[in-house]
Amino acid sequence: GAVVSQHPSWVICKSGTSVKIECRSLDFQATTMFWYRQFPKQSLMLMATSNEGSKATYEQGVEKDKFLINHASLTLSTLTVTSAHPEDSSFYICSAPRQGGTEAFFGQGTRLTVV
Amino acid sequence: SQQGEEDPQALSIQEGENATMNCSYKTSINNLQWYRQNSGRGLVHLILIRSNEREKHSGRLRVTLDTSKKSSSLLITASRAADTASYFCATDGKTSGSRLTFGEGTQLTVNP
Repeated sequence: GAVVSQHPSWVICKSGTSVKIECRSLDFQATTMFWYRQFPKQSLMLMATSNEGSKATYEQGVEKDKFLINHASLTLSTLTVTSAHPEDSSFYICSAPRQGGTEAFFGQGTRLTVV
Repeated sequence: SQQGEEDPQALSIQEGENATMNCSYKTSINNLQWYRQNSGRGLVHLILIRSNEREKHSGRLRVTLDTSKKSSSLLITASRAADTASYFCATDGKTSGSRLTFGEGTQLTVNP
């Protein structure tokens, strides 16, 4: 089946620094990818829709200047958390829908801890 | 915002028992899907049911959909300790394309 690879699986960074998370579709092309944030014991909250070759679409309340999304190729989307603060600590997950469908393939997730 | 609500929020059963989880949603949908998430991991797709379907089976999984009540249920039969995970329903609507809206999830614990 289709595979989405997310890297890194965990990262610890200092306040004020930036962190980049990569999401790759390994055996299919993804013109659209989704980025979610998940707090402990809670559901996934959609942050933004990443569109290949165009600007990402952000959900209400998500700061586009803080969470930079780049989708420069059909197999790679990146999420950069800029000037990270402890409140940005969370589990970030990406997904890509099956071509022509809505079934989603998820990355393994990235546990971000800002100290 | 999350439109789906799931109950129970947590369910603890013994191996061999059946587990039933319910999901409700608010808007019209094209499809409803169920996903599984092991702790600290990504989600894995389990099963998809279309809005014109009422029941679907896949191995030990049985999903029902009642569009008049805007609800779905996931039944796992003969549960195993390895089924311990969080289970989420997700819907896509007629105007949302491939964008999914997730329920709050049910934490299932299967005790050996």
